[in-house]
Amino acid sequence: NAGVTQTPKFQVLKTGQSMTLQCAQDMNHEYMSWYRQDPGMGLRLIHYSVGAGITDQGEVPNGYNVSRSTTEDFPLRLLSAAPSQTSVYFCASSYSKGTGYTGELFFGEGSRLTVL
Amino acid sequence: GESVGLHLPTLSVQEGDNSIINCAYSNSASDYFIWYKQESGKGPQFIIDIRSNMDKRQGQRVTVLLNKTVKHLSLQIAATQPGDSAVYFCAESLGYGQNFVFGPGTRLSVLP
Repeated sequence: NAGVTQTPKFQVLKTGQSMTLQCAQDMNHEYMSWYRQDPGMGLRLIHYSVGAGITDQGEVPNGYNVSRSTTEDFPLRLLSAAPSQTSVYFCASSYSKGTGYTGELFFGEGSRLTVL
Repeated sequence: GESVGLHLPTLSVQEGDNSIINCAYSNSASDYFIWYKQESGKGPQFIIDIRSNMDKRQGQRVTVLLNKTVKHLSLQIAATQPGDSAVYFCAESLGYGQNFVFGPGTRLSVLP
């Protein structure tokens, strides 16, 4: 099992450029999410999805868009990159039981983004 | 705001000793907690979890303690090994274990 796969692993952008971070999972998980991790801070939730066609904002959604057209994929889009978006981005998924505990989040290896 | 706090940013222990990593949470409504381990250049990995209806849970060499009175969570690692060197995060869930709030993390260094 590949688990959660993120691409690219590294990316350098110039201010104002756009890009998409890809995330795919092969565990048939309903719940998927994106976090960013900055030095000295914990992971902060950007956006999440509880199933195909359903997305919602997390703690720090500004500057990011997401969509969920399939169960497997949950891309994160930066429409106009800013230096403040320099960070390591993690995609995570878990099995959603609706009203029950989902248990652990399974994380990808991360995508390191630098915005100049 | 609602967040999980950091008690100590770094912790150094001798190989073979026990380690205790602490975490404070601020939302008394949180009902599910997880400890994650993150090695350099990798994503966080699940270590152990605990629900709010429990005070203690044990795994292999790890124990999580939950004190709801003072909103405190701790991770105990027995007989710490070099492979335990990593950053450890506590995380609390605000609803059904989906949207977690993470603490800043504690870097554990194991000395030979």
